Amino acid sequence: SQQGEEDPQALSIQEGENATMNCSYKTSINNLQWYRQNSGRGLVHLILIRSNEREKHSGRLRVTLDTSKKSSSLLITASRAADTASYFCATEKGAQKLVFGQGTRLTINP
Amino acid sequence: DTEVTQTPKHLVMGMTNKKSLKCEQHMGHRAMYWYKQKAKKPPELMFVYSYEKLSINESVPSRFSPECPNSSLLNLHLHALQPEDSALYLCASAAVFKADNSALHFGNGTRLTVT
Repeated sequence: SQQGEEDPQALSIQEGENATMNCSYKTSINNLQWYRQNSGRGLVHLILIRSNEREKHSGRLRVTLDTSKKSSSLLITASRAADTASYFCATEKGAQKLVFGQGTRLTINP
Repeated sequence: DTEVTQTPKHLVMGMTNKKSLKCEQHMGHRAMYWYKQKAKKPPELMFVYSYEKLSINESVPSRFSPECPNSSLLNLHLHALQPEDSALYLCASAAVFKADNSALHFGNGTRLTVT
């Protein structure tokens, strides 16, 4: 089974609004990563947060990590149409194995 | 554009055909990966190569045969596939396969259809 589980599975918001996606995982981690995938394309690495970090920012992205709850959230502020994509969290399941959550399909409506 | 190049972009093959998927990166990465992704599902790990040696095979059927001829190239040889093998096949690379800098760089994939 996948290490990470995300919710919601799908999210539709208006352009300019903020989008929040959540990821839960089951076992201890060294780090957690977030990726974006546009339709029919490869995944693009967005941000990596280490287990000793609680929050990290990159442009309009804000990621939080709560290791006590085994959960992470990705916030996209001031959303744009170009943010329409699927977003996946990923954690390491043993050495070298990066396992992806089920993903959240985000739609930004103009 | 991605720094990991996959060819072909699309492939249609019959169940008796033999074909190969190719992946190339010139970032000096020493870990390379094959993932399989079905529609509306997350990528699933198939193989990992580390320093040109196969380090992980996720119990993939033998009709999929990976090959890493050198540090820049990764192939996936296909033979006697089934229609359920139709999927997007993604190649990825990483500078190291462990530690805090394990971000993967993905190609745009090969869309495979088995008829």
